[in-house]
Amino acid sequence: DVKVTQSSRYLVKRTGEKVFLECVQDMDHENMFWYRQDPGLGLRLIYFSYDVKMKEKGDIPEGYSVSREKKERFSLILESASTNQTSMYLCASSLGLSNQPQHFGDGTRLSIL
Amino acid sequence: TQLLEQSPQFLSIQEGENLTVYCNSSSVFSSLQWYRQEPGEGPVLLVTVVTGGEVKKLKRLTFQFGDARKDSSLHITAAQPGDTGLYLCAGAPPRDTDKLIFGTGTRLQVFP
Repeated sequence: DVKVTQSSRYLVKRTGEKVFLECVQDMDHENMFWYRQDPGLGLRLIYFSYDVKMKEKGDIPEGYSVSREKKERFSLILESASTNQTSMYLCASSLGLSNQPQHFGDGTRLSIL
Repeated sequence: TQLLEQSPQFLSIQEGENLTVYCNSSSVFSSLQWYRQEPGEGPVLLVTVVTGGEVKKLKRLTFQFGDARKDSSLHITAAQPGDTGLYLCAGAPPRDTDKLIFGTGTRLQVFP
């Protein structure tokens, strides 16, 4: 079974802090994704990576950056956290083929005070 | 930007009832996936449909992909409390099939 592990289930940070969310997958998947989930809005793609050191902006990349130095690890960085970034963050991975399912971690609920 | 609208947004029913969830778009998708998400967990894939008009069954759940590959439906027969959760449809854009566009979600509550 594919396992996608997010480093924290809950995180509380202060406005202006630099925040790191970590995600690790154990199935050698090429693709990794970061989403945020807000009520009534579904999942919105922040960033996508299809290979080591490769990244592509999603629909809402403003205020975020990412890092993928190793195939199994994809990090989301909030450069200067703001209260409107309070949300549930979900990491996912998939094979680098068409129409593949995405495998999700259990999410990090981030609160910015 | 491609959008996927789900309806209804919320559904609260008694055990044993039938229900249908709709996922609609004005855009064509290469494939359509359905996920279920339970509290405190990430979404988990239920099914992928690829061909226009395709119907797939998973026990009491029936999934259909529209003929034009722009819409999909999920029908649950004789709902049970274990079906409670957030149902998400997700479409793969034809020119970017590694990615998914997620619907707005349908939160289902089934009471015993």
